[in-house]
Amino acid sequence: AQTVTQSQPEMSVQEAETVTLSCTYDTSENNYYLFWYKQPPSRQMILVIRQEAYKQQNATENRFSVNFQKAAKSFSLKISDSQLGDTAMYFCAFMRGSGTYKYIFGTGTRLKVLA
Amino acid sequence: DARVTQTPRHKVTEMGQEVTMRCQPILGHNTVFWYRQTMMQGLELLAYFRNRAPLDDSGMPKDRFSAEMPDATLATLKIQPSEPRDSAVYFCASGLTTGTDTQYFGPGTRLTVL
Repeated sequence: AQTVTQSQPEMSVQEAETVTLSCTYDTSENNYYLFWYKQPPSRQMILVIRQEAYKQQNATENRFSVNFQKAAKSFSLKISDSQLGDTAMYFCAFMRGSGTYKYIFGTGTRLKVLA
Repeated sequence: DARVTQTPRHKVTEMGQEVTMRCQPILGHNTVFWYRQTMMQGLELLAYFRNRAPLDDSGMPKDRFSAEMPDATLATLKIQPSEPRDSAVYFCASGLTTGTDTQYFGPGTRLTVL
């Protein structure tokens, strides 16, 4: 069975600094997708970034980028130029590529951006 | 701006009462998911549908929970009878199997069972 581990329950970063959130996963699949979702205090789950396992190039979305290490089964999220609005819970999610469309979520990392 | 909608946003009820939560997926999406979020268990998948057919409800307590999609624009999650341990935030998400496989979440229903 697939598992997703986020080993950092809480992190903090100064505004404008860079922070990296860790995520590791366990799977025997070769084709899969990885996601980072953000959940601010409003509770809304917002997609931050998505990565297909067959792509070697790391995904980027503005200030958000990932470091995808397939062999190490690692999928970390880097937030550059952190902003107060980045304060949220961040969830890493795994989805098999074989058509089940089910996410397996990590337990989340609570990130606080300090002014 | 297409988005998933959920009603009600908040629900407080007494133990034993029936609770119905509704979700309107993004128009054109063919998969719908129900999740429950609690501090202890995190995000748990309760059930999901593809093309309105239930594909997996293994995460749902069968004796009291039921999920349906009466039509492509409405998904429902019902709890009868409700119990205090059902207190949680319930999220609906929708997606498109022929698209990017990304799930788009609704704002959630915060349920409190007294």
